Amino acid sequence: DTTVKQNPRYKLARVGKPVNLICSQTMNHDTMYWYQKKPNQAPKLLLFYYDKILNREADTFEKFQSSRPNNSFCSLYIGSAGLEYSAMYLCASAGYEQYFGPGTRLTVL
Amino acid sequence: AQSVTQPDARVTVSEGASLQLRCKYSYFGTPYLFWYVQYPRQGLQLLLKYYPGDPVVQGVNGFEAEFSKSNSSFHLRKASVHWSDWAVYFCAVSMHSGGSNYKLTFGKGTLLTVTP
Repeated sequence: DTTVKQNPRYKLARVGKPVNLICSQTMNHDTMYWYQKKPNQAPKLLLFYYDKILNREADTFEKFQSSRPNNSFCSLYIGSAGLEYSAMYLCASAGYEQYFGPGTRLTVL
Repeated sequence: AQSVTQPDARVTVSEGASLQLRCKYSYFGTPYLFWYVQYPRQGLQLLLKYYPGDPVVQGVNGFEAEFSKSNSSFHLRKASVHWSDWAVYFCAVSMHSGGSNYKLTFGKGTLLTVTP
């Protein structure tokens, strides 16, 4: 089973409010990634967990938080959503290849 | 820094015709290269991957890609396109640091539309 699940599939948030997105995988992969995808742009890596170690990209360091309570789950947290956070958020888990979930479409109003 | 360019934002092909989607990469060293496909309302699915070796790699559903170091390219091909191939195709390059710990850099994607 190479399924990566993401919840919710669609999220509507108000400006200034927090957002929490969830990803799960059952493949016992060490690494889980979060990408942001905006229309007509390439998926952009935000951060990833290797085991319990969080690695955040330099240009998104202050904007996103994440937690990984166990090997199967990983969350992406936005403390105060802005309009610019509206995007598709893709989670992936990796053994030798990256397997992607269906994404969560976040709309901030 | 590594980068990927997909010069065609959109490609339209007649069903049954052949297809080539272009990908150029910039990478210092030996790249690992990937093509992903995103069907409507779905996540990204791996089509094929290149690890150093045979420059022509086969993927799922009749897709193949050819790595060219001299041209810094990794173009995707299919001999006969089906209407179900209508999707967005992403090329990606990775910096592999061992095991499952590596970063993918994606191109902006090419939308493939198929006409009857």
